[in-house]
Amino acid sequence: KNQVEQSPQSLIILEGKNCTLQCNYTVSPFSNLRWYKQDTGRGPVSLTIMTFSENTKSNGRYTATLDADTKQSSLHITASQLSDSASYICVVSLNTGGFKTIFGAGTRLFVKA
Amino acid sequence: GAGVSQSPSNKVTEKGKDVELRCDPISGHTALYWYRQRLGQGLEFLIYFQGNSAPDKSGLPSDRFSAERTGESVSTLTIQRTQQEDSAVYLCASSLTGGRQETQYFGPGTRLLVL
Repeated sequence: KNQVEQSPQSLIILEGKNCTLQCNYTVSPFSNLRWYKQDTGRGPVSLTIMTFSENTKSNGRYTATLDADTKQSSLHITASQLSDSASYICVVSLNTGGFKTIFGAGTRLFVKA
Repeated sequence: GAGVSQSPSNKVTEKGKDVELRCDPISGHTALYWYRQRLGQGLEFLIYFQGNSAPDKSGLPSDRFSAERTGESVSTLTIQRTQQEDSAVYLCASSLTGGRQETQYFGPGTRLLVL
């Protein structure tokens, strides 16, 4: 069964600290993996996208990693800011006909002053 | 336009009524996607348009759901005979050509509550 599981479900950190969010998937055949940030009441915003051959991708203070062998990805946030408080969603697309995308449930991050 | 827009932003309806949700994609984007996000759950793919055609309708949960797109622009998602389990945020996204590696740009969503 194609699944995307994220952990932790929620996380509280102090402003300025780093954190790492995890994503494990059992999706096959794999096409790409994306990380989105979704602020409360807003649509998701794309942070990174990685294909099978890419191990890491950075976007400012956000760095995503991908291990296609173990089917794991992580999103590392450096020097967190209050504005990083949001849900972070891992999304895996299948390499099949049509449009097949599996969304994780997200990690809810709270950054405290 | 500057981004994807959706209307209405909020909709409260009674069980059994029909609702129409509208999405205006970014100008020039040929691909358009509809998703549903139930409270506390991840996004679910509903339907995908390439131009005015929908090559993938596999995510539509029942025959009460339908969507159309005209002029390779605005799209309407229609839910007939709404049920309480249809309550969710309905999100629309667009991308330039629909390529698998392309960034999708999301609208703010329509929050639907079926009483």
